[in-house]
Amino acid sequence: QQPVQSPQAVILREGEDAVINCSSSKALYSVHWYRQKHGEAPVFLMILLKGGEQKGHEKISASFNEKKQQSSLYLTASQLSYSGTYFCGTESTGNQFYFGTGTSLTVIP
Amino acid sequence: DVKVTQSSRYLVKRTGEKVFLECVQDMDHENMFWYRQDPGLGLRLIYFSYDVKMKEKGDIPEGYSVSREKKERFSLILESASTNQTSMYLCASSFGGTPRRYTEAFFGQGTRLTVV
Repeated sequence: QQPVQSPQAVILREGEDAVINCSSSKALYSVHWYRQKHGEAPVFLMILLKGGEQKGHEKISASFNEKKQQSSLYLTASQLSYSGTYFCGTESTGNQFYFGTGTSLTVIP
Repeated sequence: DVKVTQSSRYLVKRTGEKVFLECVQDMDHENMFWYRQDPGLGLRLIYFSYDVKMKEKGDIPEGYSVSREKKERFSLILESASTNQTSMYLCASSFGGTPRRYTEAFFGQGTRLTVV
């Protein structure tokens, strides 16, 4: 029931792009994305609701394919400040919500 | 700004002790959560509360209990601490009373608990 995130870890140089994927085996109502910097609390990035919408937050955007029960987080022109662990959270039937295991993203100069 | 405050950043307790972790939020949120964070396992829900005195078990409630006597305060209790409860504990809160139970959650800084 816990969504699967891929990759588990990625290292980027500043300015490069990255994609983080989140996949569930259940039908989803929504997907949530959070970022947790080292030693800090997770911070909400965005919610994507059923309907396949794409949302954006600065240079970070995400899509939600409800038919495939997948979401992808897109980080473009990465900055050092993007480093951290990214978690997706999926809401499915029966008020079930699970966080994924996280993707560690490191941006180097 | 929403603030979720956990009483301690670091705690060291002995096996068998009763441990209380406190969480306070200042935004009048209906929902409050306790998560446990372990490397490679992500965030796992221990307990959820959607109102004062109301609670639901999460995925890993064994060995834990909770108390919510006031809307702003949610306590996690380890009845008899064990070494396998050494972990980072995160409290979160969010608005409720909407068609969707899960909305933007605000997290506390976490309590790193070590049980020796």
